[in-house]
Amino acid sequence: SQTIHQWPATLVQPVGSPLSLECTVEGTSNPNLYWYRQAAGRGLQLLFYSVGIGQISSEVPQNLSASRPQDRQFILSSKKLLLSDSGFYLCAWSVRQLLGNTIYFGEGSWLTVV
Amino acid sequence: GIQVEQSPPDLILQEGANSTLRCNFSDSVNNLQWFHQNPWGQLINLFYIPSGTKQNGRLSATTVATERYSLLYISSSQTTDSGVYFCAVTPMDSNYQLIWGAGTKLIIKP
Repeated sequence: SQTIHQWPATLVQPVGSPLSLECTVEGTSNPNLYWYRQAAGRGLQLLFYSVGIGQISSEVPQNLSASRPQDRQFILSSKKLLLSDSGFYLCAWSVRQLLGNTIYFGEGSWLTVV
Repeated sequence: GIQVEQSPPDLILQEGANSTLRCNFSDSVNNLQWFHQNPWGQLINLFYIPSGTKQNGRLSATTVATERYSLLYISSSQTTDSGVYFCAVTPMDSNYQLIWGAGTKLIIKP
């Protein structure tokens, strides 16, 4: 069966520090991978999605970047965090053809920028 | 783009009560899903239901695609049903995008 895991689960970082959130998927090949952000427990905002190694599409211009160094690994990064980057970050995967298929989420990472 | 509206935004019920959550969308879609986010943040798929009716235990969902709405029914609510319920749709011209509603926050009191 497929599993998705992201870490760290919680993170408290000072303003201006770097960020790295990691996500891995097991049990599937060539998945679509996604990073979402959720603020205040409502509304998911798609940040990045990837359909293959090195292929990243950004949905919202921001202080963050994403990379996909391996087929089942997705990394969310920042060089210098802002207070507004605080939130709940969710990694997700789906099979390549989202149409007709569902999306699965990781456990989430709580980021607090202080 | 497609607009997804969920109602009610908040719902407080006693354990054992039944509830109906609604999701309206503004244009034709290829895909509609219902999710439950528990108080710890975990998002769980409930239903993939672009049309028709599905049931899973105490939960069932109905999507009327021609009228652009979906309903999620919860019967005999339990405290573990508490959390936020989201619906999300995939536009006709997309293979990756999910447009999310703002969610319905459900609190089940013992």
